[in-house]
Amino acid sequence: QVQLQESGPGLVRPSDTLSLTCAVSDYSITTGDWWGWIRQPPGEGLEWIGYIDYTATTHYSPSLKSRITMSVDTPKNQFSLRLTSVTAVDTAVYYCARKGPGLTYFDLWGRGTLVTVSS
Amino acid sequence: QSALTQPPSASGSPGQSVTISCTGTSSDVGGNSYVSWYQQHPGRAPKLIIYEVTKRPSGVPDRFSGSRSGNTASLTVSGLQADDEADYYCSSYATSNILFGTGTKVTVL
Repeated sequence: QVQLQESGPGLVRPSDTLSLTCAVSDYSITTGDWWGWIRQPPGEGLEWIGYIDYTATTHYSPSLKSRITMSVDTPKNQFSLRLTSVTAVDTAVYYCARKGPGLTYFDLWGRGTLVTVSS
Repeated sequence: QSALTQPPSASGSPGQSVTISCTGTSSDVGGNSYVSWYQQHPGRAPKLIIYEVTKRPSGVPDRFSGSRSGNTASLTVSGLQADDEADYYCSSYATSNILFGTGTKVTVL
């Protein structure tokens, strides 16, 4: 059964860089799908962050692109997110998810990980 | 581009139907066939229930249906069940962007 699992620090200091990794199991990330990140501040709605494919081609949200870097590690079958210069508004549950090639929806999601930005 | 507009809440009794709207613009909801809907129970990840306006993924009951008219998409849940109580989010592709709706909390009375 295909699974996605987010991992990373649960607490990040203001102005630091948030780094998360999503490990994909029982499915190769080189199949042609896109691998994305979506976040959800506590009690609020969903926000798309961006997605990447196994060739490291990326598409980022216009509102976050100046602070985002995504990368992929094919030998480890995982992909990662870096968000720089974080503030309290970046506090959210961060989900990784799969998007099919040429498609515009996410059909498989990780459980999510809460990242709190606080000193 | 800002989030798509959904009503904050909707409700219905078991067995009834509830319809949730999702309003965007001609650049997103009204401009392509890439509207999807997600169901999210408290503390859980979103689950895809409708894609490309009207299509249902395998395993999603046909009680869930989608439609669109102009710049507004709609999700209808028929034959409401207790487990349908959740938050629902629409989503649409816009040029170089994926937008989500503001979310609707559905309560089963």
